[in-house]
Amino acid sequence: AQSVTQPDIHITVSEGASLELRCNYSYGATPYLFWYVQSPGQGLQLLLKYFSGDTLVQGIKGFEAEFKRSQSSFNLRKPSVHWSDAAEYFCAVGSPSGNTPLVFGKGTRLSVIA
Amino acid sequence: DAGVIQSPRHEVTEMGQEVTLRCKPISGHNSLFWYRQTMMRGLELLIYFNNNVPIDDSGMPEDRFSAKMPNASFSTLKIQPSEPRDSAVYFCASSLASGYNEQFFGPGTRLTVL
Repeated sequence: AQSVTQPDIHITVSEGASLELRCNYSYGATPYLFWYVQSPGQGLQLLLKYFSGDTLVQGIKGFEAEFKRSQSSFNLRKPSVHWSDAAEYFCAVGSPSGNTPLVFGKGTRLSVIA
Repeated sequence: DAGVIQSPRHEVTEMGQEVTLRCKPISGHNSLFWYRQTMMRGLELLIYFNNNVPIDDSGMPEDRFSAKMPNASFSTLKIQPSEPRDSAVYFCASSLASGYNEQFFGPGTRLTVL
C-alpha cells in the first residue's frame, strides 16, 4: 500500500536559516512525488514535483527537493527561509496516471522566528 | 484560468441540518477529488470521479455523505443529517487524467456543525 511519512509535525527555524523537511514514502512502483504548501486559511498550492530524470528538482519560492530512491525519501529544502514561508507543508505520492488520488503525509507545520 | 472554485467558503449549521458543498473544477480537467482535512486525521480522500463517474467512495465516512457529479463542470458533496464531528475543511481538487497527476486544489469550505 502507498503511504507517506513526514516525521516532523512542527519545525521552527530562524529567518535566514536553512530548512529541510523530511518525507519518506512507500510505493510499489516508480513514484510520482509532490510537495504542496498550505498557508493559513488557504488551499494547497503545488511547490514542486518529481516524475523522472534529474533527482534534484527546483520549485517555486526558492524551494528544491531531492529524490533518493535508495532511501525512499523526497526531502524539501530551502537555503534561506523567509518569514512568509511559515505554513503547512505536505508531501504526496501518486501513480503516473492522472486519474488516481494522491496519498498525502500528515504535514509539517513550519514556524519562522525573527 | 479561475482555478478550482468552491462554495461556500464558510458554512455554519446546526446538527441535523443538510449541508451541500459545491465545486467547479478547472475547465478541461476530467478527474475530480473530494478531501476532508481535520487536525486529528490530516487530509483524507473521501471520493473521486473520472469523467463524471464515481470511481472510489471508500473514504466516505458514512451513508450520511453523498457526492454527485452531474456534468464535467460541477460536483456536490452533501451531508444529511450533519453532525458536529463533520466539522472540518473540505477541499475539492481536479486534475487532467492524461497529465502527470498534478492536482489543483480549491480554497476549501470550512464547515462548522454546532
